[in-house]
Amino acid sequence: QVQLQESGPGLVKPSQTLSLTCTVSGGSISSGGYYWSWIRQHPGKGLEWIGYIYYSGSTYYNPSLKSRVTISVDTSKNQFSLKLSSVTAADTAVYYCARSQLGNWYFDLWGRGTLVTVSS
Amino acid sequence: EIVMTQSPATLSVSPGERATLSCRASQSVSSNLAWYQQKPGQAPRLLIYGASTRATGIPARFSGSGSGTEFTLTISSLQSEDFAVYYCQQYNNWPPRTFGQGTKLEIK
Repeated sequence: QVQLQESGPGLVKPSQTLSLTCTVSGGSISSGGYYWSWIRQHPGKGLEWIGYIYYSGSTYYNPSLKSRVTISVDTSKNQFSLKLSSVTAADTAVYYCARSQLGNWYFDLWGRGTLVTVSS
Repeated sequence: EIVMTQSPATLSVSPGERATLSCRASQSVSSNLAWYQQKPGQAPRLLIYGASTRATGIPARFSGSGSGTEFTLTISSLQSEDFAVYYCQQYNNWPPRTFGQGTKLEIK
């Protein structure tokens, strides 16, 4: 079955760029039919949707983060990635990648999540 | 942005009893409402979509109802594995997709 796995540095310095990758296994991003998302959860808090990407490269971002977020896709590696620039301690969170079916904008499959701490 | 408000923040219920969790949207989201369960250290798991449709593999004791701005998740007979945090999420209006702040279901 399809699985998602986040990877990337667990510690990022303030003002730098947070970079994470989600590897999709058991299925192809290029087959279409799904949007691929990043979602984060601040420690002990709720969930915040960051943005989506489709395999074609079309993206949609949360307006509150749009100026700092870039989501990209590498179909050859079956991966999609998140870059969040100019991070502060407020960006410390568990970052999840997740999948939505086209036209059904709930999240039916999630990665296990990765904790990113912003600290000097 | 649509704001999702869940109540109560914490719900204490005994195993075997019924639990009723509420979610309210700041404007109508039709039936475009999902529920998720999250256990400590784990990712959220989709329980319900379309306000009332159980996701694959979800036990029948979980049921969802509502439309418009008022929604309910009911767990008919609580099992030990059901004690967790539950989130609602609207997907009618976007961006952004928005979640409620969660209800923690704890053992009484």
